[in-house]
Amino acid sequence: NAGVTQTPKFQVLKTGQSMTLQCAQDMNHEYMSWYRQDPGMGLRLIHYSVGAGITDQGEVPNGYNVSRSTTEDFPLRLLSAAPSQTSVYFCASSYFSTLNTEAFFGQGTRLTVV
Amino acid sequence: GNSVTQMEGPVTLSEEAFLTINCTYTATGYPSLFWYVQYPGEGLQLLLKATKADDKGSNKGFEATYRKETTSFHLEKGSVQVSDSAVYFCALTGSNAGNNRKLIWGLGTSLAVNP
Repeated sequence: NAGVTQTPKFQVLKTGQSMTLQCAQDMNHEYMSWYRQDPGMGLRLIHYSVGAGITDQGEVPNGYNVSRSTTEDFPLRLLSAAPSQTSVYFCASSYFSTLNTEAFFGQGTRLTVV
Repeated sequence: GNSVTQMEGPVTLSEEAFLTINCTYTATGYPSLFWYVQYPGEGLQLLLKATKADDKGSNKGFEATYRKETTSFHLEKGSVQVSDSAVYFCALTGSNAGNNRKLIWGLGTSLAVNP
């Protein structure tokens, strides 16, 4: 009964470093997305995918890349970390083809860029 | 485009007090409406939802009614507990295919319940 699994839970990066946040779901959901959560800003969509091989940009895609080679996995790559990317990141998944669909969230990754 | 506006927090209540968190929306057609809750240190989880006008969603003592005439989906609970301390998010998905199915979020309302 894993649901959505995100790793790592905490990460500290130096400016300019790159890293990948991992996200995996075992519910056969078509739709997966990445959000960042910042104080007073709510949840902002970074990238999303409606199925394997298909990705698209959300509200705040700059500085991030994604790929969707399988239904289960949706990693988020920070290309060259900047202090402005300090945030809490959440991965979510849901059925996309059904209206009223519930989104399932991972536990989050707290990223600090120094 | 679609949007969600919810009352700003933080909201601080004493245990057993009545809770209302206001949420209004802008959307074409008939969106589906959701309340998600985020407990400290955790991800978001669905609290309740309503999919058509006049529907009432309920869970864990919380209720919200889909009011199309006022474009609102206010969250209420008659008697809050310390364990209800969390951040509450109102959200919607549109009624059309494609990108309108994406979740549109309010900014969240932080609730602290004191014993």
